[in-house]
Amino acid sequence: DAGVIQSPRHEVTEMGQEVTLRCKPISGHNSLFWYRQTMMRGLELLIYFNNNVPIDDSGMPEDRFSAKMPNASFSTLKIQPSEPRDSAVYFCASSLKVGTGGSEQYFGPGTRLTVT
Amino acid sequence: DAKTTQPNSMESNEEEPVHLPCNHSTISGTDYIHWYRQLPSQGPEYVIHGLTSNVNNRMASLAIAEDRKSSTLILHRATLRDAAVYYCILIRNSGGSNYKLTFGKGTLLTVNP
Repeated sequence: DAGVIQSPRHEVTEMGQEVTLRCKPISGHNSLFWYRQTMMRGLELLIYFNNNVPIDDSGMPEDRFSAKMPNASFSTLKIQPSEPRDSAVYFCASSLKVGTGGSEQYFGPGTRLTVT
Repeated sequence: DAKTTQPNSMESNEEEPVHLPCNHSTISGTDYIHWYRQLPSQGPEYVIHGLTSNVNNRMASLAIAEDRKSSTLILHRATLRDAAVYYCILIRNSGGSNYKLTFGKGTLLTVNP
């Protein structure tokens, strides 16, 4: 398996522009997660999908952020409009199922976003 | 949520065993102990998890104290590729939030050749 695939790997954009990050989870996995990592705040969970349905979006910073999962093999995280403080590495992760005591999450390589 | 405490950094020599400690004195009976690691410029990677008994897999061993207030991740023979930040995370198996990984600062492991 190719693992979790994220695109683009790097994104540089100007403040105010729309940014769309993409994720393809591991085939057969039914849980998908978006995380953000910064030096100041570390790794934070933004949103969690189960069977394509958003279950917990309490980590989404504000209305400028939105995430969708139109099918089991694709998810997007959109920032509109982007701001310099959104600069971070965004990770997508997937897991087969969230069972007793949690489950093994497989992380993608991340997208490094720079907003100037 | 129960918190974990880890040393900021540790050093080891290549091919020697490494014992990475984690304190979780407020752990509850339904909390599972998970370990992830993050190699430079990569996403986190699952290492191992357990509840009460010691666990072994191809990557590492997890030793859990009898009172469960601490645990130790054991790398039996460190290699240069094991240099990473290691995160000890508690996942509560109740309240419907057993998917949530809450990453702390972790332990930065340096492996010397």
